[in-house]
Amino acid sequence: NAGVMQNPRHLVRRRGQEARLRCSPMKGHSHVYWYRQLPEEGLKFMVYLQKENIIDESGMPKERFSAEFPKEGPSILRIQQVVRGDSAAYFCASSPMGSEGYTFGSGTRLTVV
Amino acid sequence: TQLLEQSPQFLSIQEGENLTVYCNSSSVFSSLQWYRQEPGEGPVLLVTVVTGGEVKKLKRLTFQFGDARKDSSLHITAAQPGDTGLYLCADSGSARQLTFGSGTQLTVLP
Repeated sequence: NAGVMQNPRHLVRRRGQEARLRCSPMKGHSHVYWYRQLPEEGLKFMVYLQKENIIDESGMPKERFSAEFPKEGPSILRIQQVVRGDSAAYFCASSPMGSEGYTFGSGTRLTVV
Repeated sequence: TQLLEQSPQFLSIQEGENLTVYCNSSSVFSSLQWYRQEPGEGPVLLVTVVTGGEVKKLKRLTFQFGDARKDSSLHITAAQPGDTGLYLCADSGSARQLTFGSGTQLTVLP
């Protein structure tokens, strides 16, 4: 049973470009969460999704950031017009319905140059 | 807004030594989770504790939850280099989002 799969592992973007980060949850998991880890800071919650629904996006920046979890395919975190301050490790986690136990992916390290 | 403070921020010890790291919350935990994160990887769940005063053991790791459910400690006996990593505490809250502390970076030297 494969774990939470994130790709790419590393992503380099120039300022102003778009970044698309993908996350495939564990088999049987219907809840997906995105977290950001900035250098020298802890993990910060961004968004919680179920299939085709955004449940809680209270941690998402108001502009340039969006997330989706379509009926088919992986969850996508999209960052438009990236800036240097977006450089961070972005982690996806998944859990089965009704459980508080998370499984995290290995993350995508975004570098904006 | 809940604040989780972890101490110490950094800890470097020799193989075989014992150590304790701490997690304190500004408010009562809903349920407390401890994670370990290795460089270049995501956090891995070690344990979940819910009941005040609860003690859980995982091989050489002992997790203690304070009676008032506002603090916790992680004790490692006879540390090994493989224990090296960032130890994070987190509260699950009521909205299925985790609030993390900033972590304790542990280095165990051979």
